[in-house]
Parts: sequence; structure tokens; C-alpha cells
Amino acid sequence: DAGVIQSPRHEVTEMGQEVTLRCKPISGHDYLFWYRQTMMRGLELLIYFNNNVPIDDSGMPEDRFSAKMPNASFSTLKIQPSEPRDSAVYFCASSPSPRFNSPLHFGNGTRLTVT
Amino acid sequence: AQTVTQSQPEMSVQEAETVTLSCTYDTSESDYYLFWYKQPPSRQMILVIRQEAYKQQNATENRFSVNFQKAAKSFSLKISDSQLGDAAMYFCAYRRGSNYQLIWGAGTKLIIKP
Repeated sequence: DAGVIQSPRHEVTEMGQEVTLRCKPISGHDYLFWYRQTMMRGLELLIYFNNNVPIDDSGMPEDRFSAKMPNASFSTLKIQPSEPRDSAVYFCASSPSPRFNSPLHFGNGTRLTVT
Repeated sequence: AQTVTQSQPEMSVQEAETVTLSCTYDTSESDYYLFWYKQPPSRQMILVIRQEAYKQQNATENRFSVNFQKAAKSFSLKISDSQLGDAAMYFCAYRRGSNYQLIWGAGTKLIIKP
């Protein structure tokens, strides 16, 4: 099992540009999560999906952020337009079952720098 | 609201010795789960150990064990026979038993001295 795969690993962009982060969850995992990690705020849940359907997007900071999961093996997090304060590490994670003690399996994250 | 507190921003330990990382949480729930995750320099978050609140027995995973004190709302992680590969940020996390929202502590940076 390759684990959760995120791309790109690093992204540097200029303010105002569109940024798309990608995630491939572990096959068979029904839940997919997008997190953001910063020094100031730690780990924040942005949104999560169950069976490709967004369940809770209350953590999405602004309308500039959007996430999609067109199928069970792919999800995107898009920021348009990007701002310097969006600079952070963005993690995707997946989980295999609806049992709440199931651990999350994280990808290696995408480090986003907006200049 | 639930909160998770890790009061030690940084800890250091000599290789092969034992270290304990502290975590306290605040909740009025009776059904919940607790986790320790490790984040090495590679950035990936890796599950170390988990504990169900309804279980009295402390969880153990090889060199890693927890001291779960439910009444005190304490969930410390003990690492025995510390190894260089244990150097990482360690995060304590709480999950209510009714949703997937994880509440995270601020993390403790563990340094292993050779």
C-alpha cells in the first residue's frame, strides 16, 4: 500500500495566483480529510468527505478555498486567489471506517509558500 | 469546548533512556478517544498509539505506552529505550465519540541525545 499520496510536495506561488493541491487516499478508505498546519494555529481541519460527499466544511477559512472529491481515489484543494497568509503545510488524510477510534493516515503534506 | 494542552514545548532525553511527554485535556464527554501522533522531519504525521476512554487498561505499543488517568483528564506518553529515530514533534489529539473532529495539542519537540 503506497499510503496517502499528495502532490506537489512544495509549491511556491505569487499572491493572486490559483493553487491546486492534490490528494490520492488509500484505496478502500471512505473518509478523506484536509488539514492545514501553521506555527501559529497548529493543525486545523478544513473539510472532510465521506464517500466523496463533503460532510463538514466549517473549517474552510474563506470562499477563496474550495475542495472537491470527484471520485473515491482523488481530491483537490484549491485556493483562488492565494494570499501570503495562506502559506502553510496542507495535509490530506484518509480513514478506513466510520469507527471513531480509527486512526487517520496522513500524506507527507504540501508546503505552500505564497509570496 | 474541548481543549488539549501539551505543557512541554520541548523535551530532551539521552539515547536508551525513558522519557514521558505530558498531555491534558478538557471535556465533559464520556465517550471519546485519545491519540498520540509523531511528526518527524519528513513531515508525515504517524500514529504512535491510541486509547479508548472506556478502556481502563493503558495502551501499549512496543516501546510506547500511555498513562491514561481519566479522572484527572491526563494522557501521558512514555517512550522507553529512546532511539535516535524517535526524535520528532509529538502531538496529543482528542476525538469525541460522535464525530471525526480531532482536537490537537500544540506539540512537544523531542530531542534525543546520542
